[in-house]
Amino acid sequence: EAQVTQNPRYLITVTGKKLTVTCSQNMNHEYMSWYRQDPGLGLRQIYYSMNVEVTDKGDVPEGYKVSRKEKRNFPLILESPSPNQTSLYFCASSLGTGGFGYTFGSGTRLTVV
Amino acid sequence: GDSVTQMEGPVTLSEEAFLTINCTYTATGYPSLFWYVQYPGEGLQLLLKATKADDKGSNKGFEATYRKETTSFHLEKGSVQVSDSAVYFCALRFYNTDKLIFGTGTRLQVFP
Repeated sequence: EAQVTQNPRYLITVTGKKLTVTCSQNMNHEYMSWYRQDPGLGLRQIYYSMNVEVTDKGDVPEGYKVSRKEKRNFPLILESPSPNQTSLYFCASSLGTGGFGYTFGSGTRLTVV
Repeated sequence: GDSVTQMEGPVTLSEEAFLTINCTYTATGYPSLFWYVQYPGEGLQLLLKATKADDKGSNKGFEATYRKETTSFHLEKGSVQVSDSAVYFCALRFYNTDKLIFGTGTRLQVFP
């Protein structure tokens, strides 16, 4: 089944403790992206990648890191999480730009206390 | 800058009622337009799309027409079901960028 897989689905952590949210897609998509979803703000792009070793900042990159060492994986790293990073995170992948839609993962609900 | 504006929710309807969720956009170029749906506890799913002016996207009884003259992409369905209860997001994307720009979402609640 074609899908984007994120792990974990739920995570509660403490301020300052480094964490990684994994994302993997099995569709051989070039483009991958991370979004966060917050009430009243919709979805905002954190980082995106157009290919292996090619990443760039989205609208809200502060406090996050990403890497794209393999085409299928695009982990999101929070080096020192803070409470304002409590959010619902989505990984997504796409075959191309423009008229190609994104396929989204099921989401990771992160709570930083 | 480029943006998407959706009507505020929640939209509350009885089963079999007609649905319209308004979406307008501001864009410096010619984007593709999308509607995504998010069911409770799930990720976003692509519902329909249109890539150029006057195109109509359709899926599962939902329709939306790309109106360049009014910069709109309103979502419609002739007869909603309880199972359509979800949050609906309008979005745009350009050919030269990876970014999908979303509206804030509209919650639809359908009662029997």
